[in-house]
Formats: sequence, structure tokens, C-alpha cells
Amino acid sequence: GAVVSQHPSRVICKSGTSVKIECRSLDFQATTMFWYRQFPKQSLMLMATSNEGSKATYEQGVEKDKFLINHASLTLSTLTVTSAHPEDSSFYICSARDKGWVTEAFFGQGTRLTVV
Amino acid sequence: GQNIDQPTEMTATEGAIVQINCTYQTSGFNGLFWYQQHAGEAPTFLSYNVLDGLEEKGRFSSFLSRSKGYSYLLLKELQMKDSASYLCACMDSNYQLIWGAGTKLIIKP
Repeated sequence: GAVVSQHPSRVICKSGTSVKIECRSLDFQATTMFWYRQFPKQSLMLMATSNEGSKATYEQGVEKDKFLINHASLTLSTLTVTSAHPEDSSFYICSARDKGWVTEAFFGQGTRLTVV
Repeated sequence: GQNIDQPTEMTATEGAIVQINCTYQTSGFNGLFWYQQHAGEAPTFLSYNVLDGLEEKGRFSSFLSRSKGYSYLLLKELQMKDSASYLCACMDSNYQLIWGAGTKLIIKP
């Protein structure tokens, strides 16, 4: 099956700093990538949808200036958490949809962010 | 509004069978997915149903009834490694995935 690589898998940063998370589709072209956040014992919460070459679409309540998303190519999307605070500590997961496959989305391994 | 309901937690015995139910209400329907998620890991794809009926894949089967807005995931010959959360997700008319909260399945020896 298709592979989505997410990096880093774990990161610890200080309050006020920024963290960049990368999501790459390794063997397919991803026209659409999704960024999710998941708090312990809760389901996935969609943060934003990014389409290659255009601005991301953010879900209600997600600050676009805080969570910067860039989808510059068909194989790479990045999420930057700016001025991180402890409440941003969470599990961030990306998923990507194959250009030629409308339905199934493939998930990256996830990034555990801890802000201290 | 759009809504996915599934039980919060279920417990079953190793070697037994368990059925995890999911009911949904969405704006349009382009299929229903089941994912497995182990603690601290990303979800992995299990099944996709878009037509009514049962799809069998090894020890796992998934059923869909579109008229009832209902699906279930059936796990047979349970193994300890099946202890995980099982997420039900529907794709709406905009091809957006609407996620359930997940069912935590606990397998006991």
C-alpha cells in the first residue's frame, strides 16, 4: 500500500519556540493532505486540509496564524506550530490522499509534541 | 448535523468474537471506513464499505447497511494484539472523513 512518512515522530520544545512537522507521500502524488490533532483517549480532530499549490482550509476554531501549513509540492506538506504553548502538546497526524484514488487516505506515523 | 456513534469501550476474551457497531448520519455518503489505532500510533486502514453487505478480510469483516445508517466491524479469533481502538469514519458528499470517537477494545486472556 501507499506510504506516508511523517517526521519527527517525537519532539520536545520550549514554550515560545516553533516546531515544524513534515509529511511526505513516498510512492504517490498527494493532491490533498490532512492534518489532525488527537488528545489522549479522544478521536482524531481535523485541523486543516491542504491542497497542493493553494492555501490550506482550516477547521473552525483552529488558528491559521498559529498552525502554519505549507503544501508546496505533490509529495510534501508541512505543519509549523508557532509560539508553542504547553496546551499545544498533543499527537499530530497527517494523512494524504492519492491523486488517482479519491477515497482512501493513508496516515503518517504521527508526531508526539510535548511543549515544556 | 453530522454524527458518528460507536461504543466507547468493549471487553472480549482471547479466541472469541466481538462485534463493534457504528451508526452514522452524514451529509451525503461516499463510503465507510474502519481503522485500527494502537496507543501512541497512527491509525491503520482495515476496511472500506460503500455498498450494502459484508466484506470479509481474514479475521476481520465489515458490514454496511446504508438504509439504516449502520455498520459493524466483526473480529474473529481474537488475539491479544487486537487490543486497540477501532475508529469508524464516514466520507461525506465532499469526500471529507467524519470520524467517530473510537471504540477501545480490551482483550482478556
